[in-house]
Amino acid sequence: GESVGLHLPTLSVQEGDNSIINCAYSNSASDYFIWYKQESGKGPQFIIDIRSNMDKRQGQRVTVLLNKTVKHLSLQIAATQPGDSAVYFCAENHNAGNMLTFGGGTRLMVKP
Amino acid sequence: GAVVSQHPSRVICKSGTSVKIECRSLDFQATTMFWYRQFPKQSLMLMATSNEGSKATYEQGVEKDKFLINHASLTLSTLTVTSAHPEDSSFYICSARETRDNEQFFGPGTRLTVL
Repeated sequence: GESVGLHLPTLSVQEGDNSIINCAYSNSASDYFIWYKQESGKGPQFIIDIRSNMDKRQGQRVTVLLNKTVKHLSLQIAATQPGDSAVYFCAENHNAGNMLTFGGGTRLMVKP
Repeated sequence: GAVVSQHPSRVICKSGTSVKIECRSLDFQATTMFWYRQFPKQSLMLMATSNEGSKATYEQGVEKDKFLINHASLTLSTLTVTSAHPEDSSFYICSARETRDNEQFFGPGTRLTVL
């Protein structure tokens, strides 16, 4: 069936380096994508979103890239900080159902 | 920003008992609320979609008689885990979709442990 998945379950980076978290999706009808950050024992926290009519969107220290040709989504975090350590999920939404389907998650570990 | 609360944040109960979890949108109206379950080191899995004033829509494999959902107002949805068993132990998370623009906001989650 349709799914959203991630390539790397764990990513370890040095403090100050840039992080790239990847996500593959398979539902070509998805038109809205969101990245969430989840810290241990807490609910997901919205980071950034992008609609399918865009291929790049920037926020504060974060950038989301969307490649519809290969159905790939990525989250780039600049100058990664210890507070960025968490599990990151991508989620897709297709307007027909307006429900979110979550990917498997990537744990980001920031080394001081 | 919009805030969603859940109560309780953590609950421990004996096998066979029922547990009710509340999800509230504190500063906005939510026509639709969603209930997710998350097992350790796994992703969020949608259990059901709750619409105010109507019956919830359950995802495949989720027993509606076991996970009772009530969405009686635009700011409150409840999930009752009936006759809970140890395998129901999980992190339950709700989200609320704002009526105006369809953006979803997540609650902090409820950790359920069934002994």
